Amino acid sequence: AQKVTQAQTEISVVEKEDVTLDCVYETRDTTYYLFWYKQPPSGELVFLIRRNSFDEQNEISGRYSWNFQKSTSSFNFTITASQVVDSAVYFCALSEARNAGNMLTFGGGTRLMVKP
Amino acid sequence: KAGVTQTPRYLIKTRGQQVTLSCSPISGHRSVSWYQQTPGQGLQFLFEYFSETQRNKGNFPGRFSGRQFSNSRSEMNVSTLELGDSALYLCASKQDVAYTGELFFGEGSRLTVL
Repeated sequence: AQKVTQAQTEISVVEKEDVTLDCVYETRDTTYYLFWYKQPPSGELVFLIRRNSFDEQNEISGRYSWNFQKSTSSFNFTITASQVVDSAVYFCALSEARNAGNMLTFGGGTRLMVKP
Repeated sequence: KAGVTQTPRYLIKTRGQQVTLSCSPISGHRSVSWYQQTPGQGLQFLFEYFSETQRNKGNFPGRFSGRQFSNSRSEMNVSTLELGDSALYLCASKQDVAYTGELFFGEGSRLTVL
């Protein structure tokens, strides 16, 4: 069975601070996909990134960066110079490759509050 | 390009009733999946449809059912509602069942069971 753990349920930072959201996963599969989604108050989940299990390159997209470490089964997400608009709930998710990115298993989410 | 559209956005039902939720995927998307989000259980996979066929189903009782139409629109139904069915029901679509990229989510249908 697969499992995703986001130990931080809530994080509060002041604008312009850097913040890292942790994600630890468990799976028996050797090939899988990892995702991060953002959920603003409106409710929809907004895709941020997908990583497959054989690509451990870290990725940077503007103020966002992701650190994937297979050795520790972690896929952490860092926001640099946080902004109020970053306030949302962030979900890490896992999908086995045989499910082709469907049937996502989500972590419990981390609520990020960025204060001005 | 219009996003995933879910109707109704909000609804209130009483225990024992049944409810039908609708999802219109992004134009051209043929794979639709449903998720339930509750404060206690978080986000859980319900079902996935492609070409009018249910491909996968999550660990939910038989009271939860769904279908997909030939135009890729999907509906889910919950019969004999229980208080614990109160949740945000999210629909997601993607181009094709084999596509491993992102799922596009709608804003959800928030169901309250009294």
